[in-house]
Amino acid sequence: EPEVTQTPSHQVTQMGQEVILRCVPISNHLYFYWYRQILGQKVEFLVSFYNNEISEKSEIFDDQFSVERPDGSNFTLKIRSTKLEDSAMYFCASSEKTTGELFFGEGSRLTVL
Amino acid sequence: AQRVTQPEKLLSVFKGAPVELKCNYSYSGSPELFWYVQYSRQRLQLLLRHISRESIKGFTADLNKGETSFHLKKPFAQEEDSAMYYCALSGYNNNDMRFGAGTRLTVKP
Repeated sequence: EPEVTQTPSHQVTQMGQEVILRCVPISNHLYFYWYRQILGQKVEFLVSFYNNEISEKSEIFDDQFSVERPDGSNFTLKIRSTKLEDSAMYFCASSEKTTGELFFGEGSRLTVL
Repeated sequence: AQRVTQPEKLLSVFKGAPVELKCNYSYSGSPELFWYVQYSRQRLQLLLRHISRESIKGFTADLNKGETSFHLKKPFAQEEDSAMYYCALSGYNNNDMRFGAGTRLTVKP
């Protein structure tokens, strides 16, 4: 069964460094999403992406964040100049259509020291 | 703005007992409501959605627009139902699905 895959599973970085989290959505899906979950808190929407552009973003998704689909398979989340409060689990998801089920990856745990 | 509230962080029941996980929402338009589940060491996955009106693993959820609720129910809980349950809401185009804080259900033997 096709799955969303995310790399790395865990990344530790120093405050101020740039981080790129990678996701490979399910191949026939057209809609892509990033969510994050700070330890002990809710799953928060960051951004959705369709047709090579951002379709929605939350108030969390400021200039520090960017997303890209550099090729036909990867979907990346870049966090510039990481802060301690960026430490969280980041989930990628994809869906086949705009009203369809979201399929989630296993998450990338980011620890900022 | 859309908002999802799950008032219970933790819920514990005995095997065979009925279970109800509460979810309330606020949204100005026509919402689509979902329940997602995360079992231990597994990824977040869809349990059910209101438009399909089906029962999955014995769970049902009815959208009550008057009370703006979408509570998840199961008449007889099983130990394997122990998991984290998230209620989620999206607008018409699903581009910004929002999740509640989640309820951790523990079913004791």
